[in-house]
Amino acid sequence: EPEVTQTPSHQVTQMGQEVILRCVPISNHLYFYWYRQILGQKVEFLVSFYNNEISEKSEIFDDQFSVERPDGSNFTLKIRSTKLEDSAMYFCASSEKFSPLHFGNGTRLTVT
Amino acid sequence: DQQVKQNSPSLSVQEGRISILNCDYTNSMFDYFLWYKKYPAEGPTFLISISSIKDKNEDGRFTVFLNKSAKHLSLHIVPSQPGDSAVYFCAASRSINSGGSNYKLTFGKGTLLTVNP
Repeated sequence: EPEVTQTPSHQVTQMGQEVILRCVPISNHLYFYWYRQILGQKVEFLVSFYNNEISEKSEIFDDQFSVERPDGSNFTLKIRSTKLEDSAMYFCASSEKFSPLHFGNGTRLTVT
Repeated sequence: DQQVKQNSPSLSVQEGRISILNCDYTNSMFDYFLWYKKYPAEGPTFLISISSIKDKNEDGRFTVFLNKSAKHLSLHIVPSQPGDSAVYFCAASRSINSGGSNYKLTFGKGTLLTVNP
């Protein structure tokens, strides 16, 4: 079964550094998303992306965050200047129209 | 943000018996509900969904029940198997039909199900 793949599985970075989390969505999916889960808390919506632009974003997704689909297969989340509170598991997901989301295995981001 | 609540952090059942996982929501605008299963070190995996126009949806061993008046849904797994042991997340959204989107999911905190052999 096709799956969403995320790299790296674990990223450690220093506060203030830029980090890029990478995702390869399922190939025939056109809708892409990022969610995150801070340890001990709920999975939270960050952003959705369709047709090369952001469809919707949450209040968490401030100017420090950006998303990009640089080519036909990758979907990235960039955090420009990481803060301690950005430490979380970041999940990429993709879907067809009006279909359930398929999630990747996540990237654990640790900001020190 | 307590719009979706799973009040039981854990549940333990015997193999072959029924597992019932519960979820409550407070936002009356939610009209599309999903259950996801999550194993350690993996992402959430879609299990089953239900639209608010239905009160029941069944897929093999999994059945989801929706009680709109009580703002309550439940997932029944019959019979439970040891491989079902995982964290189960309830999620809700407003569908396209109600001016939302099916993809902006609000998750509960999850219930850890343990099925004992």
